[in-house]
Amino acid sequence: DAGVTQSPTHLIKTRGQQVTLRCSPKSGHDTVSWYQQALGQGPQFIFQYYEEEERQRGNFPDRFSGHQFPNYSSELNVNALLLGDSALYLCASSHGLYGMNTEAFFGQGTRLTVV
Amino acid sequence: AQSVTQPDIHITVSEGASLELRCNYSYGATPYLFWYVQSPGQGLQLLLKYFSGDTLVQGIKGFEAEFKRSQSSFNLRKPSVHWSDAAEYFCAVGAMNTGNQFYFGTGTSLTVIP
Repeated sequence: DAGVTQSPTHLIKTRGQQVTLRCSPKSGHDTVSWYQQALGQGPQFIFQYYEEEERQRGNFPDRFSGHQFPNYSSELNVNALLLGDSALYLCASSHGLYGMNTEAFFGQGTRLTVV
Repeated sequence: AQSVTQPDIHITVSEGASLELRCNYSYGATPYLFWYVQSPGQGLQLLLKYFSGDTLVQGIKGFEAEFKRSQSSFNLRKPSVHWSDAAEYFCAVGAMNTGNQFYFGTGTSLTVIP
C-alpha cells in the first residue's frame, strides 16, 4: 500500500500564477482534506472533499479551490499566487465522513515556493 | 472558537530522560484529540488518539497521553526519550462528523541531546 501520495514534491511559481497540486488517497479511503503548513506553524485546514463535493471549508479565500475525482483522488488549485502562499501543502485521507473511528493518513506534502 | 495551544515552542531533553509535551484545547463540542509527529521533510504520523473512555491512552513508539477534561489538556508523555524521537510534535482536535478536519497547535520542536 503506497499510502497517501502527493505530487509534485516541490514547486516554484511566480507571484500571480496559478498552481495545481495533486493527491492520491490511501487505498480504501474516500475522504480527502487539504492543509496549509507555513514555516514554523501547525497545519491549517483548507477544505475537505467527500463524494466529489466540498464538505467543510476553513478560513481561506476563494483563490483556493479543489476537486475530487470519482477515484477519490483530489486536486488543490490556487489562483493569483501571493508570496504568502509559500508553504507546505499537506493532503490527508481517511474513510468516511462520519465518526472518527478511522485514522487519517497524511502525505509527505508539496513544498510550494512563490517568488 | 476551536483552538489548540502548545505553550512550549522548543524543548531539549537528554536521551533517556522523561518527556512531557503540553497541549491545551478549546472546543465547543466533545473533542477528539490527537498527537502527531513530523520529522523534517516528512508528513504527519499519528502517535495516538483519544475519542472516549479511559483518559490515559497508549500510542506508538512508547508514547502515552492523558486527557484531563477539567483542565482542557491532553499532554503527551514518554518515560525515556530516544535520539530518534527528535522531531516536531503537533496536538490536534477534531470532532464527530467532520471526518479528517482537524485544528492543530503550532507545534513543539523536540531536540534530544546524546
